[in-house]
Order: sequence, then structure tokens, then C-alpha cells
Amino acid sequence: AQSVTQLGSHVSVSEGALVLLRCNYSSSVPPYLFWYVQYPNQGLQLLLKYTSAATLVKGINGFEAEFKKSETSFHLTKPSAHMSDAAEYFCAVSQVHLTGGGNKLTFGTGTQLKVEL
Amino acid sequence: DGGITQSPKYLFRKEGQNVTLSCEQNLNHDAMYWYRQDPGQGLRLIYYSQIVNDFQKGDIAEGYSVSREKKESFPLTVTSAQKNPTAFYLCASSMIAGNTGELFFGEGSRLTVL
Repeated sequence: AQSVTQLGSHVSVSEGALVLLRCNYSSSVPPYLFWYVQYPNQGLQLLLKYTSAATLVKGINGFEAEFKKSETSFHLTKPSAHMSDAAEYFCAVSQVHLTGGGNKLTFGTGTQLKVEL
Repeated sequence: DGGITQSPKYLFRKEGQNVTLSCEQNLNHDAMYWYRQDPGQGLRLIYYSQIVNDFQKGDIAEGYSVSREKKESFPLTVTSAQKNPTAFYLCASSMIAGNTGELFFGEGSRLTVL
């Protein structure tokens, strides 16, 4: 079984401040990990993914995340927040070994990021 | 441009009516998925399909039905048996060969039951 826990359903930062969104996972096999962003009434867009290569993963829009196996964490960071970063962020874990080769992503409950002037 | 198209964007339904949400992809992906999103609950998997004419139940399949007659299409029917159908529905697809787990999402369909 796999699961994801996102700590903090709402995070508020000032423009220019560090963004830190927390994600812890549980997986019985080496996981693939993802961060997605969702703007209001839109679908999810992939920010970045970890697939067992480098533990520090860089994504779009200046975001990055570090895979820490010992802490079962995959926290998302950005050095300086912009107003345009205000959105909902989802962490997800996948075990890409379903019979037939497909994959099921298990999502966290999301973190709403607010950026204030 | 390649992508996933969901329609309609907004849909209103009276209680007791079935409604079908459309999902079409031109990414040549083998696998397709339907997720339901409710505030504060993240995304929950309804059904998925890895090949034409085959599909599997996800975590919350009760009250829903799907078909996969073509590789490009994976429509979802919300039946009258679904007790709380008001939600945001997201369709997604992924590769099978060379798959690193990434899902590609459509823009979503918001269903409101009146």
C-alpha cells in the first residue's frame, strides 16, 4: 500500500519569501514521487518528478524538491515566492508496476499556497 | 497540440439523472484514468483502463461506469446510484512503455447536482 501526507492544508508566505510545502510518503517498494500544481477550475500540471535518479529534482517555475529516503520525505521548495505561485499543490506517489504496465498515483490532500504582498 | 480534452466544462444535473462526461486524448497513450476531486480530500481514483476494451475499478467506483471502445476515448457515466455526485472530475492518461509514472491531465469537468 502507498500513501501521501501533506502537512498544512493552507500555507501563506510573503512575496519574495521562501516557499516550503511538506510531503511525506509511505510505500512498500521504491517509489516514484511527483508534485503537481492546480490553478482554480483547471487540471493538474506536473511541476517535477523523482524517478530514482538524482535525489534533488528541479522542476518548472523555479521549484525543486529533495528525496530523502531516511525521512520518507519529498518536500517542495522555491527560494522566492511570486504572486503567480498562488495555487493548490499536490504531492503524489506511484508504484509503476501494475500488471499491464500502467500506474496508479495516490495523491495527498493538497496544500493551498497563498502569496501576500 | 497534443493533449486531453474533457467536456463539458460545467454540467448541471437533476437528482436521479445519469450524466456522461467525455474524455478524449491525442497523446497516443495506452492508459487512461478518471479521478474525482472534492475540497480537502485530494484526488481519488474512480476507474482506470490500460488497454482498449478493458478497465478496472479504482478506490471509489460505486455509482460510476466507464467504457473504453477506442484508445483515444474514455467516457465516464455518473449514474443515479452515485449518492453524492457533485464534484470536480479529472481525466488523465499515461504511457505504458517507458512509463515513469507521470499522468497528463485534462482541464476537468465540474458536475453540480441540483
